[in-house]
Amino acid sequence: AQSVSQHNHHVILSEAASLELGCNYSYGGTVNLFWYVQYPGQHLQLLLKYFSGDPLVKGIKGFEAEFIKSKFSFNLRKPSVQWSDTAEYFCAVNVNFNKFYFGSGTKLNVKP
Amino acid sequence: DGGITQSPKYLFRKEGQNVTLSCEQNLNHDAMYWYRQDPGQGLRLIYYSQIVNDFQKGDIAEGYSVSREKKESFPLTVTSAQKNPTAFYLCATYETGRTEKLFFGSGTQLSVL
Repeated sequence: AQSVSQHNHHVILSEAASLELGCNYSYGGTVNLFWYVQYPGQHLQLLLKYFSGDPLVKGIKGFEAEFIKSKFSFNLRKPSVQWSDTAEYFCAVNVNFNKFYFGSGTKLNVKP
Repeated sequence: DGGITQSPKYLFRKEGQNVTLSCEQNLNHDAMYWYRQDPGQGLRLIYYSQIVNDFQKGDIAEGYSVSREKKESFPLTVTSAQKNPTAFYLCATYETGRTEKLFFGSGTQLSVL
């Protein structure tokens, strides 16, 4: 079945630890890739997006993601997390400039 | 994000009742989406509309209906056929050409009495 898979449902890290959240998708056609973040009590916000070009994209708040086409992956990374990064992170795929599909989300808790 | 108004914020449905969730936008975006958010399941696509008077089913359209008579409005009706309607419902619009991103409303929490 076509899907967006986020491997980690809940991640707990200490401040200054490095973060990598996995995302794999199984859609064909033209795909554009996104990471969204939902801070407690707030709307979903765009962290970063990939459409074409350099497969390493940088977003807000020090986040970056790497698109690996051969692995159908778009993993999110941050070298050093902060307590304020505590949130839920969603990977999303836009297929053929049409539907948007989201992964199940990863809750990140950063301990101060 | 500003520009998308969802109402009501909380809604209660009785058994066998249809309820309608409102989504209005003043962003002049063509594409609009309805998602259902359940804990641990992320956002699941219910319906989407790329243009006025046209809409398509998402992955979980059964028990839901929509209309798109105006560009600004994309109401979602949760019918009595939806057996598990308790969820948080999010409306979104998509801006192409400038930001290329989804804008989200503040959501409606629907519960069954």
